[in-house]
Amino acid sequence: KQEVTQIPAALSVPEGENLVLNCSFTDSAIYNLQWFRQDPGKGLTSLLLIQSSQREQTSGRLNASLDKSSGRSTLYIAASQPGDSATYLCAVKDQAGTALIFGKGTTLSVSS
Amino acid sequence: DTGVSQDPRHKITKRGQNVTFRCDPISEHNRLYWYRQTLGQGPEFLTYFQNEAQLEKSRLLSDRFSAERPKGSFSTLEIQRTEQGDSAMYLCASSTAGDRTSSYEQYFGPGTRLTVT
Repeated sequence: KQEVTQIPAALSVPEGENLVLNCSFTDSAIYNLQWFRQDPGKGLTSLLLIQSSQREQTSGRLNASLDKSSGRSTLYIAASQPGDSATYLCAVKDQAGTALIFGKGTTLSVSS
Repeated sequence: DTGVSQDPRHKITKRGQNVTFRCDPISEHNRLYWYRQTLGQGPEFLTYFQNEAQLEKSRLLSDRFSAERPKGSFSTLEIQRTEQGDSAMYLCASSTAGDRTSSYEQYFGPGTRLTVT
């Protein structure tokens, strides 16, 4: 059974710092991996999707990498801003499954 | 706005009452998913439809829960005889599927926050 773990559970950084959020999964037979952002009490916003054949994806200040063989993904946020404060969720879609399997998220707080 | 929409955004109900939520997916998406999220947890899968067919249901979906997508467009999720443990955010998502180029990327709606008192 696929399990997704995100470390750390919470992170506080000063504005301008570069940071890395970690996601690990137990079964490497994935179809894709998505990173989402969730603001308090809101729905999920898709940030990046990495197909299993890809190693990384970039969007603006965000870069996500995927190492399928080791069951790891990282989300790199450059030059963090207070507006980046939110919970970041990692989710995988297995090759055999349909649903996304989520981690519990990392709650990021960026102070000005 | 052509994103996923959900209605209502908030629902407060008393234990034992029935509630129904609606989801309108992105128009060209043939797959529609329901998830449930409790405080401090990631979303958990409940069920999904491809067009009007409900193809998979999670064990989380007890017999008090029923979902429909009658014309392959919008979907409803009904909870009968609500319990306090049903209090959660109910999220709907949609995606394309069925061809070689589909990424299956899921797009989520704003959610319906259910509080059972």
